[in-house]
Amino acid sequence: GQQLNQSPQSMFIQEGEDVSMNCTSSSIFNTWLWYKQDPGEGPVLLIALYKAGELTSNGRLTAQFGITRKDSFLNISASIPSDVGIYFCAGYPGGSEKLVFGKGTKLTVNP
Amino acid sequence: EPEVTQTPSHQVTQMGQEVILRCVPISNHLYFYWYRQILGQKVEFLVSFYNNEISEKSEIFDDQFSVERPDGSNFTLKIRSTKLEDSAMYFCASMNGNSKNIQYFGAGTRLSVL
Repeated sequence: GQQLNQSPQSMFIQEGEDVSMNCTSSSIFNTWLWYKQDPGEGPVLLIALYKAGELTSNGRLTAQFGITRKDSFLNISASIPSDVGIYFCAGYPGGSEKLVFGKGTKLTVNP
Repeated sequence: EPEVTQTPSHQVTQMGQEVILRCVPISNHLYFYWYRQILGQKVEFLVSFYNNEISEKSEIFDDQFSVERPDGSNFTLKIRSTKLEDSAMYFCASMNGNSKNIQYFGAGTRLSVL
């Protein structure tokens, strides 16, 4: 089935540093979503991307939908301790209404 | 802000027992979903539900699973005879069906099968 390959698996950074993570797929996805999950909670939407090449920001977060519709990246600038959590990319494979999730990037921010 | 609510937050059951996980989707949403997340793994799609019927399901969603929208507000997932490997976080999600295609997730129910 369709899979999203997310990297890196984990990141350990200092407060104030910028972060970048990405997702790739062997097949085309319609609509890419980036979620954050805190421990014991459900995924919370950060950014939604709808068009190939689209670049969208939400505060210190920026995400882009790749031109080929097979990849996306998420950048976090000037990280703060509350950025700690697991970040998931997710998307809809063509013709499906199910969300396919990446395996997540676990972010640790050292104060 | 409207949110998806799930109960209970933690359910402990014996293997072979039936469990019902409950969800109250956001009130004006039309599409409903169940996902599960085994500890340390990614979120996996189980089933989608629209217009009072299942619209899509995964291979995980076998005959032991069923979903129901018994009234205008609740959406339930039933596991008839739980197995050890059913232990996971179960997330309900809902979507309003406009062009934004955004699914909003509840906080989840942790199911522990002993």
